Amino acid sequence: DAGVIQSPRHEVTEMGQEVTLRCKPISGHDYLFWYRQTMMRGLELLIYFNNNVPIDDSGMPEDRFSAKMPNASFSTLKIQPSEPRDSAVYFCASSSHHRSNSGNTIYFGEGSWLTVV
Amino acid sequence: KNEVEQSPQNLTAQEGEFITINCSYSVGISALHWLQQHPGGGIVSLFMLSSGKKKHGRLIATINIQEKHSSLHITASHPRDSAVYICAVRGATNKLIFGTGTLLAVQP
Repeated sequence: DAGVIQSPRHEVTEMGQEVTLRCKPISGHDYLFWYRQTMMRGLELLIYFNNNVPIDDSGMPEDRFSAKMPNASFSTLKIQPSEPRDSAVYFCASSSHHRSNSGNTIYFGEGSWLTVV
Repeated sequence: KNEVEQSPQNLTAQEGEFITINCSYSVGISALHWLQQHPGGGIVSLFMLSSGKKKHGRLIATINIQEKHSSLHITASHPRDSAVYICAVRGATNKLIFGTGTLLAVQP
C-alpha cells in the first residue's frame, strides 16, 4: 500500500480564498483523522471519522472549517474563507481496529503545508 | 497542566550515547504511541503500547500503567535519529492527546 496520501503538499493562498485539502487513507482502515500542527499549539485533532461517519468534530476551530468523507477511500478538509491564522501543517492519518491488524497503529500522511497570506 | 508531559523538551547527544525520553500522562488511557517527526515534517508511528515493553532495532519503549509513565530509549544513537519525538495517548474515546514533543539532536 502507498500509505496515507495527502494533497496538495504545499499551498499558498490569499486570505478569503477557499482551501480544500484531500486525503486518501490506507485501504481497509476504518478510522480517519485530521490533525493540525502549528508551532504555538503543536499537534491538535480537528475531527475524526469511523466508517466514513464523523465521530468527534470538537476540535474544528470554527464554522469556516468543514470535513467530509463521502466514501472509505477519500476525505476532504475545507476552509472557507481562509485566514492567515489558518497557516499550519494539516495531517491526515488513518488506522484500523480490526483484530487481524497489528491493531491501532496510526499512519500519517506527509502533511499539507498551508500558508494563507 | 498538560495531560501529557514530555521531558526533556530539547536534548543534544553525541553519537553513540544512550538516550531516554520520558512521557507522563494524567488521564486513563487505552494505548500510548511514540511518534517520530523528521525535519521534513513527516510523522511516523514508532510504537503503540498498552503494557510492558517493545523493541524495534535500537529503539525500546516501555510503559508503566500504574505510574502513568512511558519511556523511549535509543541505544547507540546516530545523527539520523535527530528528530522530534512525540508521545501521544489514546483516551477512552479514540482521540489522541499529544505531548509537546522532544527535539533530539545527535551530533557526530
